[in-house]
This record gives sequence, C-alpha cells and structure tokens, in this order.
Amino acid sequence: GENVEQHPSTLSVQEGDSAVIKCTYSDSASNYFPWYKQELGKRPQLIIDIRSNVGEKKDQRIAVTLNKTAKHFSLHITETQPEDSAVYFCAATPGEYGNKLVFGAGTILRVKS
Amino acid sequence: GAVVSQHPSRVICKSGTSVKIECRSLDFQATTMFWYRQFPKQSLMLMATSNEGSKATYEQGVEKDKFLINHASLTLSTLTVTSAHPEDSSFYICSASETGVDREYFGPGTRLTVT
Repeated sequence: GENVEQHPSTLSVQEGDSAVIKCTYSDSASNYFPWYKQELGKRPQLIIDIRSNVGEKKDQRIAVTLNKTAKHFSLHITETQPEDSAVYFCAATPGEYGNKLVFGAGTILRVKS
Repeated sequence: GAVVSQHPSRVICKSGTSVKIECRSLDFQATTMFWYRQFPKQSLMLMATSNEGSKATYEQGVEKDKFLINHASLTLSTLTVTSAHPEDSSFYICSASETGVDREYFGPGTRLTVT
C-alpha cells in the first residue's frame, strides 16, 4: 500500500519569507496529490492539487511541484502571511474514483510577524 | 460548489451510549464517502470507506460492529459510534468526492466527548 512521509513536522518562517514542505510517496501507481490546510478545530481545506501528468502547478502564492521519478512532491508558499499559519497535510492516491487518500503526518507552519 | 456538511458539530455523551453522526454532500452526488478520526496534533486516520448501496470497507484495526456506517443515498452517510467509551473521544471528519472526480472535500467535523 501507499506510504506518505512529510517533512518538516514544524516550520517557522518570518512574514514575507517563503515556506517549503516536502512529501515522498512509495506507490508508483499514485497519480493524484492534494495539499490540505487545516486550522485548529476546523476541517481540512483543499488548497492545491496536482496530477501526475504535470510537473508543476501554481495558484497565486501557492505552488506545488512533482517529481515522479523520485516520487516526491513539494508545497511552496511565497510571501508568507500570518494567516498562512496552520497545519498542512499532503496526500496521495492512485486517483481512481473512490480510492482512499493516504495522508502525511502534517506540518505545523508558523509565520512570525 | 462541493460543500459537505456534518451534524452535529459537537456532542457529549455518557459512556455506554450510542451516537450518530451525519455527513451530507449538499450540492453534488457522492457514491463514496470517507470517515476519518483525528486525535489532537495528529494526522487524519481513515476509518472506513462508505459506499452507497453496499457495505462499508473498514481499515485494519477499526471495529465494524462498533463503528456502524450506513450510506443510504448519494448524499448521506451516517456513522454510529456504539457503546461509546472515553477512548472514543475524538474529532470525527467525513469527506466526499463528486462522482467521477478525484477531489475530496471535507465536512466540518464532529467533536465527540464521551464522559
């Protein structure tokens, strides 16, 4: 089965700096990789996702890169703001409808103003 | 679009009683819904996959007789925690994917406290 590892577990950055969170996966059949942001006591919110037929995707200050050969993908947040502070989870799934997501352990991001 | 609701948001129950949690997809049909449990400062742990019109698929270590799942329609799945114990206290979150789409959207979660 799929195994997803996420690093770092905590990340502190100064407001305005960039933040990078990295994940690796084990199942080469996985082809869908979402990223979720979760604030304390709230639901995970999908912030960006990428499929295995592309190497990079960007949405304003957020970008995700995927290296299928190395089986790793990364979340990049530029110009961080205090409201970016949250727990971020990566996930992977083979992508067929109904297939379960396998989540990383999460990264606590703290943006210091 | 892709809104998932969950009810109740918080529930406190006594040990030995049962609690039912509802998960609804409000603006789309979901053949499959997922139920997760999340303990403080931990990741989401998949409990079971709920399939409309058929039996749920439980993850290893999850007692199917304790966590009853019913997926009666394309917009509603329920999780019943039977004979609840304090160790069942947790944040329970459901998610749903629109039929034919792999994006998964989460409900707001239910905070269960068993006293």
